[in-house]
Amino acid sequence: AQTVTQSQPEMSVQEAETVTLSCTYDTSESNYYLFWYKQPPSRQMILVIRQEAYKQQNATENRFSVNFQKAAKSFSLKISDSQLGDTAMYFCAFMKPDYGGSQGNLIFGKGTKLSVKP
Amino acid sequence: DSGVTQTPKHLITATGQRVTLRCSPRSGDLSVYWYQQSLDQGLQFLIQYYNGEERAKGNILERFSAQQFPDLHSELNLSSLELGDSALYFCASSVASQGNLNEQFFGPGTRLTVL
Repeated sequence: AQTVTQSQPEMSVQEAETVTLSCTYDTSESNYYLFWYKQPPSRQMILVIRQEAYKQQNATENRFSVNFQKAAKSFSLKISDSQLGDTAMYFCAFMKPDYGGSQGNLIFGKGTKLSVKP
Repeated sequence: DSGVTQTPKHLITATGQRVTLRCSPRSGDLSVYWYQQSLDQGLQFLIQYYNGEERAKGNILERFSAQQFPDLHSELNLSSLELGDSALYFCASSVASQGNLNEQFFGPGTRLTVL
């Protein structure tokens, strides 16, 4: 069974600085997908960034980038130029592809609560 | 707005009761997923439906059941409710085309409180 571990329950960062959230996972699959979701106080789940395991290039989305280390089973999220609106819970998630015509479900870590301070 | 709707937004009920949570996926999405978010268990997958059929089961209790209707909306039924069932229940949908990675879009959730 796959597991996702986020070892940092809480983190804080000053506005405009850079912060890195850690995530490790365990799987015997060779092909899979990894995600970072953001959950602000509104509780809405928002996809931040995704990475396909067969792609060696790290994904980037504006101020968000990942450091994907497949051999180490590590998938960290870097937020550059942190903004107050980045304050939220961040969840790392794993998904195994389902080749039967649909797609697999998400397996989430416990989350990291990020506070951006002015 | 993700395009996924969930009703009701809040639900307060008593132990032993039964409730039904409803989800309407984004137009064109065939897959519906149900997730439970609680303080104890975190975010966990309950069940998935794809085009009307059950596709995968996660940590779903026997007291819980779900279905997806021909119009693709889905309902999650929770019965014999216990205090520990209090949680935020999310529905997500995906177009789920084979060979492509499609994002799961989450609804706003239903907050269930069991008293």
